Amino acid sequence: EAGVTQFPSHSVIEKGQTVTLRCDPISGHDNLYWYRRVMGKEIKFLLHFVKESKQDESGMPNNRFLAERTGGTYSTLKVQPAELEDSGVYFCASSQNRGGLQETQYFGPGTRLLVL
Amino acid sequence: DAKTTQPTSMDCAEGRAANLPCNHSTISGNEYVYWYRQIHSQGPQYIIHGLKNNETNEMASLIITEDRKSSTLILPHATLRDTAVYYCIARAAFHSGNTPLVFGKGTRLSVIA
Repeated sequence: EAGVTQFPSHSVIEKGQTVTLRCDPISGHDNLYWYRRVMGKEIKFLLHFVKESKQDESGMPNNRFLAERTGGTYSTLKVQPAELEDSGVYFCASSQNRGGLQETQYFGPGTRLLVL
Repeated sequence: DAKTTQPTSMDCAEGRAANLPCNHSTISGNEYVYWYRQIHSQGPQYIIHGLKNNETNEMASLIITEDRKSSTLILPHATLRDTAVYYCIARAAFHSGNTPLVFGKGTRLSVIA
């Protein structure tokens, strides 16, 4: 079974440009999460999809970040326009959805974003 | 979710057991203890989780005290590839909807040859 995949693995862009990150969850996983780790800080939650719906986007830093999950399969996270402080590693995770039981989350390898 | 406390760093000799402690004194009866690790330049990797009984899988063992206020992750024969930051996370077992993980600073384990 394939794990969570993310693309690209690295991205270097200039301040003001746009970048789109993609996450493909484990097949059949309805829950999809985005997290990020900025330099020297802890891993922080950004948002959570259940299928195509945003369940919780309380961690999104500002309106320069837009996440979508059309069709409830893969998800994209767009940063527009990118700022220097957006540099970091963006992780995606997915988990099954079986009623009220909390499921284990499995992470992708991350996308390393560097904004110059 | 309950707060967890872990030592900042630990060393372990290769081939020896690595015992990583975690305090979670305010854990509720409904909260699991989860362990993840992050090896440099990789995504967090799930290791094991438990509620109140000790658990073992192919990666590690999890020992939870009877009062559930602390736990220990045991890597029975640490290798250099086990060098990573290990995170202990308390998380509700049941919720109306799946909730995100809350990562702390974790324990940086260095396995030494």
